[in-house]
Amino acid sequence: DAGVIQSPRHEVTEMGQEVTLRCKPISGHNSLFWYRQTMMRGLELLIYFNNNVPIDDSGMPEDRFSAKMPNASFSTLKIQPSEPRDSAVYFCASSPLAGFNTGELFFGEGSRLTVL
Amino acid sequence: SQQGEEDPQALSIQEGENATMNCSYKTSINNLQWYRQNSGRGLVHLILIRSNEREKHSGRLRVTLDTSKKSSSLLITASRAADTASYFCATGRTGANSKLTFGKGITLSVRP
Repeated sequence: DAGVIQSPRHEVTEMGQEVTLRCKPISGHNSLFWYRQTMMRGLELLIYFNNNVPIDDSGMPEDRFSAKMPNASFSTLKIQPSEPRDSAVYFCASSPLAGFNTGELFFGEGSRLTVL
Repeated sequence: SQQGEEDPQALSIQEGENATMNCSYKTSINNLQWYRQNSGRGLVHLILIRSNEREKHSGRLRVTLDTSKKSSSLLITASRAADTASYFCATGRTGANSKLTFGKGITLSVRP
């Protein structure tokens, strides 16, 4: 299996621009998670999906952030408009067990976002 | 916050030595996990220990869990330069809609 695939790996954009990060979870996994990692705040859970349904988006920092999972093999995290404080590494992770949100997670390699 | 806190924040040892990393947490958990992150890469799951387990082994890794003290330790024996990475503990709380919460990590440097 190819593992969790994220794109782009690196994104540099200017403040105010829209950013879309993409994730393909491991086939057969029923839960998908979006995390953000910064030096100051560590790894923060933004949102997670079970069977393509958003379960908890309480970690999404602002209305500028939105996430979708239109099918079992694809999810997007969108930031519109982007701000310099959004600069971070964004990770997508998947898990085989829906409804058990504290099991082993399989992480992608991350998307490093820099907003100038 | 139920976030795990690792200790020490950074650890530097010589190849061949053992590395011990600790994690403390605040609330009841159903499991505790350790992950490794190499520089510029994603996190990789190392080991999961359930709340009713006290010790678990995987290769050169040994994890202990003391729920009465709300603490865990990760021991890496006979360390190698390739073990150089950041290590994170993650706690899974009990209850509905519980989430896995990560600590800020320990930076381990293994000198060849």
